[in-house]
Amino acid sequence: GEDVEQSLFLSVREGDSSVINCTYTDSSSTYLYWYKQEPGAGLQLLTYIFSNMDMKQDQRLTVLLNKKDKHLSLRIADTQTGDSAIYFCAETPRAGNTGKLIFGQGTTLQVKP
Amino acid sequence: EPEVTQTPSHQVTQMGQEVILRCVPISNHLYFYWYRQILGQKVEFLVSFYNNEISEKSEIFDDQFSVERPDGSNFTLKIRSTKLEDSAMYFCASWEAGGPETQYFGPGTRLLVL
Repeated sequence: GEDVEQSLFLSVREGDSSVINCTYTDSSSTYLYWYKQEPGAGLQLLTYIFSNMDMKQDQRLTVLLNKKDKHLSLRIADTQTGDSAIYFCAETPRAGNTGKLIFGQGTTLQVKP
Repeated sequence: EPEVTQTPSHQVTQMGQEVILRCVPISNHLYFYWYRQILGQKVEFLVSFYNNEISEKSEIFDDQFSVERPDGSNFTLKIRSTKLEDSAMYFCASWEAGGPETQYFGPGTRLLVL
């Protein structure tokens, strides 16, 4: 079946790097995503990676994908207090290709000044 | 920047009442979705809608739920007889069916069933 798991909480100091991890079960996933949710707000797409890639860098964000272990991570360099939010890992299952997303439970990132 | 809008932002209702949550997807998009997020839990897929019909639905989307695109711009989620456990944030999303960067989420409607 389709399932995505994340750790629930991460606390870092401002200026440090944050690494948020995610595992998924669907080996046929086409894309894997990271969404950000700030308090009271909707879901904002941060970045995504196609399943045939193993790394993608976008400014302070680095996504690493290990297909063998079905492990995805998001690294935020030089973490700022404005990065405090909930980060959701998500996948698009290949089956059906209706574009639906399967989300993890979200990792709350707390950035201390 | 295109955006998906949702109304109302908050709704409080009594158990057993019907509610309709409204969404205006991005105009040239082809797929439309509803997701829900019970407080502190995962964002869960409810239903996808394409070409004026449901293309996929989850186990959560039972007979109490229905979706409609009544006028070519709005996309609605109706819950016929609300239960306490329907209390959640409901997100609408739409997708152009291009790359993943063309899927956008609305800000959500927080539904509270008393």
